[in-house]
Amino acid sequence: DADVTQTPRNRITKTGKRIMLECSQTKGHDRMYWYRQDPGLGLRLIYYSFDVKDINKGEISDGYSVSRQAQAKFSLSLESAIPNQTALYFCATSDAGQGARGYTFGSGTRLTVV
Amino acid sequence: AQSVSQHNHHVILSEAASLELGCNYSYGGTVNLFWYVQYPGQHLQLLLKYFSGDPLVKGIKGFEAEFIKSKFSFNLRKPSVQWSDTAEYFCAGRGAGNMLTFGGGTRLMVKP
Repeated sequence: DADVTQTPRNRITKTGKRIMLECSQTKGHDRMYWYRQDPGLGLRLIYYSFDVKDINKGEISDGYSVSRQAQAKFSLSLESAIPNQTALYFCATSDAGQGARGYTFGSGTRLTVV
Repeated sequence: AQSVSQHNHHVILSEAASLELGCNYSYGGTVNLFWYVQYPGQHLQLLLKYFSGDPLVKGIKGFEAEFIKSKFSFNLRKPSVQWSDTAEYFCAGRGAGNMLTFGGGTRLMVKP
C-alpha cells in the first residue's frame, strides 16, 4: 500500500459543484500539505497542517478549505468549483522538525472543472 | 532557502547528451536543498538532497548535484541521459517552519 493515498485519482466536475479531495497517510507524519500543480507554475501551496489543531493557509488558499480529521487524514474541499481550479492536486506529508528531510507525496488527483 | 528559482523551463536533449539543470536559491540560514523528479503521470519522487558536508551529492539513477555556496546554486547533472529520464524536475529548499519551497520546475524531454 502507498504511504500517502489520494482519492479520487481523476475527477470531472461541473462549475459550482462542491468537491472533496481526500488524503490519508500511513507514515505517521505530523505535517500534511496540499499543493496544486499547473503547467509552468510548478507546485503552489494551498493549505498546510502541522497537527490536527494547526491549519494554515498557503499562498493560494482562496476558493479552498481543508479539514484535518485525524493525524492521518487531510481533506481539501472546493466549495464551489470553477474552471480555473482545473489542475493536478498533490497531498504531501513530512515529519515535524524533520521536514527538511523531504516530503512524501501522494500520486495526485487530476481535477477537471467544466 | 527563502526562494528557489529554476531558469530552464523546457529542455530537449538527445539520448547520451549531458544534462545540467539550473537551480538557484536565496540564502535563508541553514541550507537544505533537494531535487525531485516527476515522471509522466506519476507523483514527485526524491532524487537527491544536500544537508551538509561534501557539496557533490549523488542520487539515484546516475544523477548528481553540486552545491556551490558562492553562487547560491544547486545544479542537477547527469553525464548521459536516457529516454527514460524524460520527466519534470523540481528543485526545492528548506524555508520557514521547516517547510519546502519549490522552484517552478523544468520539463526535460529526451529524444531517442
